[in-house]
Amino acid sequence: KNQVEQSPQSLIILEGKNCTLQCNYTVSPFSNLRWYKQDTGRGPVSLTIMTFSENTKSNGRYTATLDADTKQSSLHITASQLSDSASYICVVSESDDYKLSFGAGTTVTVRA
Amino acid sequence: EAQVTQNPRYLITVTGKKLTVTCSQNMNHEYMSWYRQDPGLGLRQIYYSMNVEVTDKGDVPEGYKVSRKEKRNFPLILESPSPNQTSLYFCASSLSGQWAGELFFGEGSRLTVL
Repeated sequence: KNQVEQSPQSLIILEGKNCTLQCNYTVSPFSNLRWYKQDTGRGPVSLTIMTFSENTKSNGRYTATLDADTKQSSLHITASQLSDSASYICVVSESDDYKLSFGAGTTVTVRA
Repeated sequence: EAQVTQNPRYLITVTGKKLTVTCSQNMNHEYMSWYRQDPGLGLRQIYYSMNVEVTDKGDVPEGYKVSRKEKRNFPLILESPSPNQTSLYFCASSLSGQWAGELFFGEGSRLTVL
């Protein structure tokens, strides 16, 4: 069964610091990988979408990387802000159909 | 404003009492889907629809029904709810199911079955 594993499960960082979230997947054949941000009690919002040919993609202070050979992705948050406190979800799509595999998410808490 | 609207946002019901959670999108999207989110498990797909009158099971379809009679609406039906269906439910839509397009989520519906 296709799986998406995220680490760490949660982390706490100080405002202004950087952090990196990890996503490892076994989905095959691979189509694309997405990172979503989910604020508490809200629906997920898309941050980045990457296909197998893309190694990196940025959205403001968020930078996602993808290594399709090792099936690993990371999301780097630069100069964190209090508003970055949220759950970050990695989602991987199969190329055969529109089945999406979701990671359990990493909860980030930014403290002043 | 482009959005996916779910109703109700919060619902407490009792075992066996049929309920429907509505989902509507105003973006003329072909693809719509339902997910449930439980602590530690992440989002799991219940059903999805590639277009009008086309629906298919996701990973956890047991106990749920859906219909897609018109493009903008995709209701989730629980014919006989049970306590293990207590969860946070999300509806989502995308322009097309065949393309790596952005998936837009609703604000969620928190369901408690007593």
